[in-house]
Amino acid sequence: QKEVEQNSGPLSVPEGAIASLNCTYSDRGSQSFFWYRQYSGKSPELIMFIYSNGDKEDGRFTAQLNKASQYVSLLIRDSQPSDSATYLCAVNKGDNFNKFYFGSGTKLNVKP
Amino acid sequence: DVKVTQSSRYLVKRTGEKVFLECVQDMDHENMFWYRQDPGLGLRLIYFSYDVKMKEKGDIPEGYSVSREKKERFSLILESASTNQTSMYLCACRPTGPFFDSPLHFGNGTRLTVT
Repeated sequence: QKEVEQNSGPLSVPEGAIASLNCTYSDRGSQSFFWYRQYSGKSPELIMFIYSNGDKEDGRFTAQLNKASQYVSLLIRDSQPSDSATYLCAVNKGDNFNKFYFGSGTKLNVKP
Repeated sequence: DVKVTQSSRYLVKRTGEKVFLECVQDMDHENMFWYRQDPGLGLRLIYFSYDVKMKEKGDIPEGYSVSREKKERFSLILESASTNQTSMYLCACRPTGPFFDSPLHFGNGTRLTVT
């Protein structure tokens, strides 16, 4: 079983819609969760992180964490074509702060 | 903002060559990392360093070595490049301490092709 799982997609949404990206993790004791955006051929860039149950909002982005169900999600409101990218979920278990587990990413296509 | 700079965006090397990938960060962070990213395999940790001259193996260290002579610079060395080392290489850094909310900051990546 992989530590972090994401649906590879592609997930296609129309411009202006809400895109919902999901990530599940295997270790119930995981502490912190990060969402990165990666454009084709580029390096990952941090969107936001979350470590408490519930929602965390930053502009058009909302991260949701449910530790009981072991999933974390990223909602993108008012999706734009420029949001088309691969979104990586990363998890830090907290036992080693330098150890991050990455999902393989979900490809998002926002259609004009 | 953290700035992590990798010296080359694209490299083409021949099998058997010794290859150096350089990474420099400007945030005085103690921890630096080298990952490789391949389609379907995601990001895999090669090595990381938590201080000058200190290093630890990651998940796939075979065929690689690293050097950290100065805090801001972390080099990845392919001792004898092979075609299966063709990949995107990503350098990252993060500050030290038990900060579980402290993310990795990535450099711009080096696309290495070994022919």
